[in-house]
Amino acid sequence: DAKTTQPTSMDCAEGRAANLPCNHSTISGNEYVYWYRQIHSQGPQYIIHGLKNNETNEMASLIITEDRKSSTLILPHATLRDTAVYYCIVSQNSGYSTLTFGKGTMLLVSP
Amino acid sequence: GAVVSQHPSWVICKSGTSVKIECRSLDFQATTMFWYRQFPKQSLMLMATSNEGSKATYEQGVEKDKFLINHASLTLSTLTVTSAHPEDSSFYICSAFGQADSPLHFGNGTRLTVT
Repeated sequence: DAKTTQPTSMDCAEGRAANLPCNHSTISGNEYVYWYRQIHSQGPQYIIHGLKNNETNEMASLIITEDRKSSTLILPHATLRDTAVYYCIVSQNSGYSTLTFGKGTMLLVSP
Repeated sequence: GAVVSQHPSWVICKSGTSVKIECRSLDFQATTMFWYRQFPKQSLMLMATSNEGSKATYEQGVEKDKFLINHASLTLSTLTVTSAHPEDSSFYICSAFGQADSPLHFGNGTRLTVT
């Protein structure tokens, strides 16, 4: 699996948009970009994933650059409950391949 | 969405005893499940891949005789930590894929403390 680079930590004010960047310059053509988050003492929670096009769901938006070498996860209106470690992972979309977690970004949402 | 359930959510045991952790897929069948371990302030590390009806595949450095994995049905995988020691204290998390093309879903983890 390709490696990813994320900032160690970020701060965001409650109600504002949180934009979490991720670099994955060695991503292969058949690899997807996945985002998960882990709230303290819980298992990781799936947020969103994409291949080439931008994606949006009820939790977040995923913006992938045209060259696919980087992406940004956007939480449009961050709340205190969004405080968590956010992991950007690239992997083939396979029912048999697991995910390799890096260190992620610790997002702290403040009042 | 797919739900993966783990039990217990936390357990305290004495050194030398064995502990079993269950991982269930609640609304789907999972031929493959994955077991991770997470030490404080570290990321998740894959321990093993559990395959229904066959032997588990262990990552390098993980002792298969110490961490016994059984995947006897399409909805249940178990991880048994045998002869637990304080250094086995960790957060153990299982995961599984749901239906075709669904992302990997994780259980809520089991906090193991060995005294």
